[in-house]
Amino acid sequence: DTAVSQTPKYLVTQMGNDKSIKCEQNLGHDTMYWYKQDSKKFLKIMFSYNNKELIINETVPNRFSPKSPDKAHLNLHINSLELGDSAVYFCASSPTSYSLTDTQYFGPGTRLTVL
Amino acid sequence: GESVGLHLPTLSVQEGDNSIINCAYSNSASDYFIWYKQESGKGPQFIIDIRSNMDKRQGQRVTVLLNKTVKHLSLQIAATQPGDSAVYFCATAQGSYIPTFGRGTSLIVHP
Repeated sequence: DTAVSQTPKYLVTQMGNDKSIKCEQNLGHDTMYWYKQDSKKFLKIMFSYNNKELIINETVPNRFSPKSPDKAHLNLHINSLELGDSAVYFCASSPTSYSLTDTQYFGPGTRLTVL
Repeated sequence: GESVGLHLPTLSVQEGDNSIINCAYSNSASDYFIWYKQESGKGPQFIIDIRSNMDKRQGQRVTVLLNKTVKHLSLQIAATQPGDSAVYFCATAQGSYIPTFGRGTSLIVHP
Protein backbone atom coordinates (compact mmCIF):
# COMPACT_ATOMS: atom_id res chain seq x y z
CA ASP A 1 0.00 0.00 0.00
CA THR A 2 1.35 3.40 -0.94
CA ALA A 3 1.74 5.64 2.09
CA VAL A 4 2.85 8.94 0.54
CA SER A 5 2.47 9.21 -3.21
CA GLN A 6 3.47 11.92 -5.64
CA THR A 7 2.65 12.58 -9.26
CA PRO A 8 4.29 12.90 -11.63
CA LYS A 9 7.55 11.08 -10.91
CA TYR A 10 9.33 12.96 -13.69
CA LEU A 11 8.50 16.39 -15.06
CA VAL A 12 10.40 18.02 -17.91
CA THR A 13 9.32 21.49 -18.97
CA GLN A 14 10.46 24.73 -20.52
CA MET A 15 11.47 27.86 -18.66
CA GLY A 16 8.55 30.16 -18.02
CA ASN A 17 5.93 27.42 -17.84
CA ASP A 18 3.63 26.76 -14.89
CA LYS A 19 3.45 23.26 -13.44
CA SER A 20 1.96 21.40 -10.50
CA ILE A 21 3.06 18.43 -8.45
CA LYS A 22 0.49 16.47 -6.48
CA CYS A 23 0.93 14.68 -3.19
CA GLU A 24 -1.38 12.41 -1.27
CA GLN A 25 -0.93 10.50 1.97
CA ASN A 26 -3.17 7.69 3.17
CA LEU A 27 -1.65 7.50 6.65
CA GLY A 28 -4.18 9.74 8.34
CA HIS A 29 -1.41 12.18 9.26
CA ASP A 30 -2.14 15.75 10.26
CA THR A 31 0.99 17.41 8.88
CA MET A 32 2.44 17.48 5.38
CA TYR A 33 5.60 19.00 3.95
CA TRP A 34 7.36 19.89 0.75
CA TYR A 35 11.14 19.57 0.48
CA LYS A 36 13.53 20.45 -2.33
CA GLN A 37 16.61 18.28 -2.90
CA ASP A 38 19.35 19.75 -5.05
CA SER A 39 21.88 17.97 -7.22
CA LYS A 40 24.19 17.56 -4.22
CA LYS A 41 21.45 15.77 -2.28
CA PHE A 42 20.88 18.68 0.09
CA LEU A 43 17.34 18.51 1.48
CA LYS A 44 15.68 21.79 2.34
CA ILE A 45 12.22 22.32 3.81
CA MET A 46 9.97 24.56 1.76
CA PHE A 47 6.53 24.38 3.35
CA SER A 48 4.63 22.63 6.06
CA TYR A 49 0.87 22.34 6.40
CA ASN A 50 -1.08 21.16 9.39
CA ASN A 51 -4.73 20.24 8.86
CA LYS A 52 -4.82 22.34 5.69
CA GLU A 53 -3.22 25.37 7.32
CA LEU A 54 0.21 26.71 6.45
CA ILE A 55 2.54 26.53 9.46
CA ILE A 56 5.97 26.82 7.89
CA ASN A 57 6.95 28.84 4.87
CA GLU A 58 10.68 28.99 4.47
CA THR A 59 12.35 31.52 2.22
CA VAL A 60 10.86 30.32 -1.03
CA PRO A 61 10.05 32.51 -4.05
CA ASN A 62 6.39 33.38 -4.23
CA ARG A 63 6.29 31.59 -7.58
CA PHE A 64 5.85 28.50 -5.41
CA SER A 65 2.36 28.15 -4.00
CA PRO A 66 1.25 25.15 -1.96
CA LYS A 67 -2.40 24.18 -1.87
CA SER A 68 -4.01 21.81 0.60
CA PRO A 69 -7.60 20.94 -0.34
CA ASP A 70 -7.80 18.53 2.61
CA LYS A 71 -5.38 17.13 5.14
CA ALA A 72 -4.54 14.14 2.95
CA HIS A 73 -3.39 16.26 0.01
CA LEU A 74 -0.73 18.92 -0.43
CA ASN A 75 -0.08 20.08 -3.96
CA LEU A 76 2.72 22.33 -5.12
CA HIS A 77 2.16 24.78 -7.93
CA ILE A 78 5.12 26.54 -9.51
CA ASN A 79 4.71 29.58 -11.76
CA SER A 80 7.20 30.91 -14.29
CA LEU A 81 9.64 28.05 -13.90
CA GLU A 82 13.34 28.89 -13.88
CA LEU A 83 16.43 26.78 -14.54
CA GLY A 84 17.29 26.86 -10.84
CA ASP A 85 14.04 25.16 -9.98
CA SER A 86 15.41 21.91 -11.40
CA ALA A 87 15.61 19.53 -8.47
CA VAL A 88 13.87 16.59 -6.87
CA TYR A 89 10.85 17.63 -4.84
CA PHE A 90 9.74 15.43 -1.97
CA CYS A 91 6.45 15.44 -0.20
CA ALA A 92 6.35 14.10 3.36
CA SER A 93 3.86 13.67 6.16
CA SER A 94 4.01 13.20 9.92
CA PRO A 95 1.40 12.03 12.40
CA THR A 96 0.55 14.77 14.83
CA SER A 97 -0.21 18.41 14.77
CA TYR A 98 1.69 19.37 17.89
CA SER A 99 5.21 18.20 17.20
CA LEU A 100 7.23 18.86 14.11
CA THR A 101 9.78 16.35 15.33
CA ASP A 102 7.45 13.44 14.63
CA THR A 103 8.90 10.90 12.25
CA GLN A 104 8.37 12.05 8.71
CA TYR A 105 7.33 9.69 5.95
CA PHE A 106 8.57 10.71 2.53
CA GLY A 107 7.11 10.20 -0.89
CA PRO A 108 9.18 8.84 -3.80
CA GLY A 109 10.00 12.29 -5.16
CA THR A 110 9.32 14.21 -8.35
CA ARG A 111 12.32 14.98 -10.51
CA LEU A 112 11.72 18.37 -12.13
CA THR A 113 13.92 19.38 -15.04
CA VAL A 114 13.58 22.88 -16.44
CA LEU A 115 15.08 23.38 -19.90
CA GLY B 1 22.75 29.78 12.08
CA GLU B 2 22.21 26.04 12.19
CA SER B 3 24.51 23.95 10.07
CA VAL B 4 24.63 20.23 9.93
CA GLY B 5 27.47 18.60 8.12
CA LEU B 6 29.07 15.26 7.55
CA HIS B 7 32.74 14.42 7.77
CA LEU B 8 32.89 12.24 4.66
CA PRO B 9 30.78 12.57 1.56
CA THR B 10 31.44 8.95 0.50
CA LEU B 11 32.17 5.87 2.55
CA SER B 12 33.17 2.57 0.92
CA VAL B 13 33.11 -0.64 2.91
CA GLN B 14 33.29 -4.35 2.30
CA GLU B 15 30.23 -6.48 2.83
CA GLY B 16 30.22 -7.80 6.37
CA ASP B 17 32.28 -4.96 7.80
CA ASN B 18 30.89 -2.45 10.25
CA SER B 19 30.19 1.05 8.92
CA ILE B 20 30.40 4.29 10.84
CA ILE B 21 28.85 7.43 9.42
CA ASN B 22 29.59 10.66 11.23
CA CYS B 23 27.73 13.92 11.57
CA ALA B 24 28.68 17.21 13.21
CA TYR B 25 26.13 19.81 14.20
CA SER B 26 26.52 23.38 15.34
CA ASN B 27 23.46 24.21 17.41
CA SER B 28 24.15 23.25 21.01
CA ALA B 29 20.42 23.64 21.75
CA SER B 30 19.53 20.77 19.43
CA ASP B 31 17.74 18.12 21.41
CA TYR B 32 16.46 15.66 18.85
CA PHE B 33 18.52 13.80 16.26
CA ILE B 34 17.45 11.54 13.44
CA TRP B 35 19.13 9.37 10.85
CA TYR B 36 17.50 8.81 7.47
CA LYS B 37 18.45 6.45 4.64
CA GLN B 38 17.79 7.37 1.05
CA GLU B 39 18.09 4.67 -1.57
CA SER B 40 18.55 5.59 -5.21
CA GLY B 41 15.34 6.90 -6.74
CA LYS B 42 13.45 6.89 -3.45
CA GLY B 43 12.59 9.28 -0.69
CA PRO B 44 14.40 9.37 2.67
CA GLN B 45 13.36 6.68 5.12
CA PHE B 46 13.57 6.98 8.90
CA ILE B 47 16.18 4.67 10.47
CA ILE B 48 16.62 5.66 14.08
CA ASP B 49 16.41 8.68 16.33
CA ILE B 50 17.79 9.78 19.67
CA ARG B 51 16.96 12.53 22.12
CA SER B 52 19.52 14.62 23.94
CA ASN B 53 18.91 12.89 27.27
CA MET B 54 20.51 9.77 25.84
CA ASP B 55 23.98 9.10 24.43
CA LYS B 56 23.32 5.77 22.75
CA ARG B 57 20.39 4.01 21.17
CA GLN B 58 20.30 0.69 19.38
CA GLY B 59 18.06 -0.64 16.68
CA GLN B 60 18.28 -3.64 14.43
CA ARG B 61 21.93 -3.68 13.25
CA VAL B 62 22.15 0.08 13.79
CA THR B 63 23.38 2.10 16.72
CA VAL B 64 23.31 5.87 17.08
CA LEU B 65 25.81 7.56 19.37
CA LEU B 66 25.43 11.13 20.52
CA ASN B 67 28.23 13.21 22.00
CA LYS B 68 26.73 16.53 23.01
CA THR B 69 30.03 17.85 24.34
CA VAL B 70 31.56 17.96 20.89
CA LYS B 71 28.25 18.14 19.03
CA HIS B 72 28.80 14.93 17.17
CA LEU B 73 26.47 12.17 16.09
CA SER B 74 27.33 8.85 14.50
CA LEU B 75 25.45 5.98 12.93
CA GLN B 76 26.98 2.55 13.20
CA ILE B 77 25.79 -0.23 10.93
CA ALA B 78 26.83 -3.73 11.91
CA ALA B 79 27.64 -6.39 9.32
CA THR B 80 26.99 -4.04 6.42
CA GLN B 81 25.07 -5.57 3.55
CA PRO B 82 24.75 -4.54 -0.11
CA GLY B 83 21.21 -3.41 0.66
CA ASP B 84 22.65 -0.82 3.01
CA SER B 85 24.12 1.07 0.06
CA ALA B 86 22.40 4.45 0.10
CA VAL B 87 22.82 8.06 1.10
CA TYR B 88 22.52 8.59 4.84
CA PHE B 89 21.36 11.87 6.31
CA CYS B 90 21.51 13.13 9.83
CA ALA B 91 18.96 15.71 10.90
CA THR B 92 18.77 17.77 14.06
CA ALA B 93 15.96 19.65 15.72
CA GLN B 94 15.49 22.00 18.62
CA GLY B 95 12.28 21.82 20.62
CA SER B 96 9.33 21.36 18.32
CA TYR B 97 11.02 22.93 15.33
CA ILE B 98 11.24 20.98 12.15
CA PRO B 99 14.52 19.08 11.75
CA THR B 100 17.36 20.47 9.66
CA PHE B 101 18.96 17.94 7.34
CA GLY B 102 22.69 17.54 6.80
CA ARG B 103 24.22 17.06 3.38
CA GLY B 104 24.36 13.28 3.33
CA THR B 105 27.00 10.57 3.13
CA SER B 106 26.96 8.05 0.34
CA LEU B 107 27.61 4.54 1.65
CA ILE B 108 28.90 2.08 -0.93
CA VAL B 109 29.04 -1.57 0.05
CA HIS B 110 31.30 -3.79 -2.01
CA PRO B 111 30.43 -7.50 -2.21
